[in-house]
Amino acid sequence: KAGVTQTPRYLIKTRGQQVTLSCSPISGHRSVSWYQQTPGQGLQFLFEYFSETQRNKGNFPGRFSGRQFSNSRSEMNVSTLELGDSALYLCASRYRELGTDTQYFGPGTRLTVL
Amino acid sequence: SQQGEEDPQALSIQEGENATMNCSYKTSINNLQWYRQNSGRGLVHLILIRSNEREKHSGRLRVTLDTSKKSSSLLITASRAADTASYFCATDDRGGKLIFGQGTELSVKP
Repeated sequence: KAGVTQTPRYLIKTRGQQVTLSCSPISGHRSVSWYQQTPGQGLQFLFEYFSETQRNKGNFPGRFSGRQFSNSRSEMNVSTLELGDSALYLCASRYRELGTDTQYFGPGTRLTVL
Repeated sequence: SQQGEEDPQALSIQEGENATMNCSYKTSINNLQWYRQNSGRGLVHLILIRSNEREKHSGRLRVTLDTSKKSSSLLITASRAADTASYFCATDDRGGKLIFGQGTELSVKP
């Protein structure tokens, strides 16, 4: 099976702009989670989508939003970008089986805000 | 917020040596997972250990879990230069949200 794919891999934006990141989970996986990684805060959970519904949300401002489509692909949007939004954004595809719950990550999108 | 802490923050060893990383967490868990990350790339899933398991092996990896101490360790035996990476433990908050430690930076010198 193909792994989790994320596009684009690199992005440069300026303050005040908005950005949309895309994630395609592993075929058959219906849950997609998003994480932000920065040197200062480490890896932090943004939100999780399952069957097109947001199921869980981290502690981020409303400028961060997401959605999931019927084919399980997910997009994440950040509006009114700030310098502090520069980070690696990781998407994870989740698989549950017989008491285990494993999340598989994509390569990430490196966002730089100037 | 970080669930736990990893120890050490950085570890430098020679090829062929064993590397041990420790992780502590704060709340009860369903399972604990270990991930590897190379130079700011995506996270690679290494191993998952359930809360009712005490030890698990996968190739050169050995993971232990002590739920009474809320701690886990990852042992990489016979390290190789290609093992150079950051290693993270992550716990599930029972709602599917993974909570990561700060990670251990492992450097394996040839």
